Amino acid sequence: AQKITQTQPGMFVQEKEAVTLDCTYDTSDQSYGLFWYKQPSSGEMIFLIYQGSYDEQNATEGRYSLNFQKARKSANLVISASQLGDSAMYFCAMRVIDKLIFGTGTRLQVFP
Amino acid sequence: GAVVSQHPSWVICKSGTSVKIECRSLDFQATTMFWYRQFPKQSLMLMATSNEGSKATYEQGVEKDKFLINHASLTLSTLTVTSAHPEDSSFYICSAREGDSGANVLTFGAGSRLTVL
Repeated sequence: AQKITQTQPGMFVQEKEAVTLDCTYDTSDQSYGLFWYKQPSSGEMIFLIYQGSYDEQNATEGRYSLNFQKARKSANLVISASQLGDSAMYFCAMRVIDKLIFGTGTRLQVFP
Repeated sequence: GAVVSQHPSWVICKSGTSVKIECRSLDFQATTMFWYRQFPKQSLMLMATSNEGSKATYEQGVEKDKFLINHASLTLSTLTVTSAHPEDSSFYICSAREGDSGANVLTFGAGSRLTVL
């Protein structure tokens, strides 16, 4: 069975610092995709970054980078130079075939 | 970029009535749309996969007669919550993928908050 696990219900980080949000996954499929989405209090889901299972290099998108360790089945999100506007829920998700399965989320709070 | 519009953004209804939520892909054709449900402070749970021109595929435990899904065109999918009850109160979010399954990223609507009195 496919499963996404986010073990950090909440994280705090000071503005301008970097923060790592953890995500581990479990699947028996060889081909899959890993995603991170941000959900502010308004509720919309904002796509941040994607990593394919066959991608050898870690994905990066601006201040976001994905630390992909395939053997450990982890796909941690690193946010560099945190900003106050980064405060939100962050969801890790895995796509297997046609479905996107979400983890339980991590609430990130950035303080001045 | 791809935009998905969801309407209404919030709705309050009386118990026993039906509520329809629309999900539209504004600038692309979506052969597949997905409906999620999110309870407060919880994750998104996939309810069903909506395929244009065919019946939706429901996840285990989701009542297809209660949550009617129609994907009548390549840009519109609707979710109807029939005979709504207070326990159906939740945040419903749709998502769509452009074109065929080769595209990786799902675009989400802004969600619809349903409150059943």
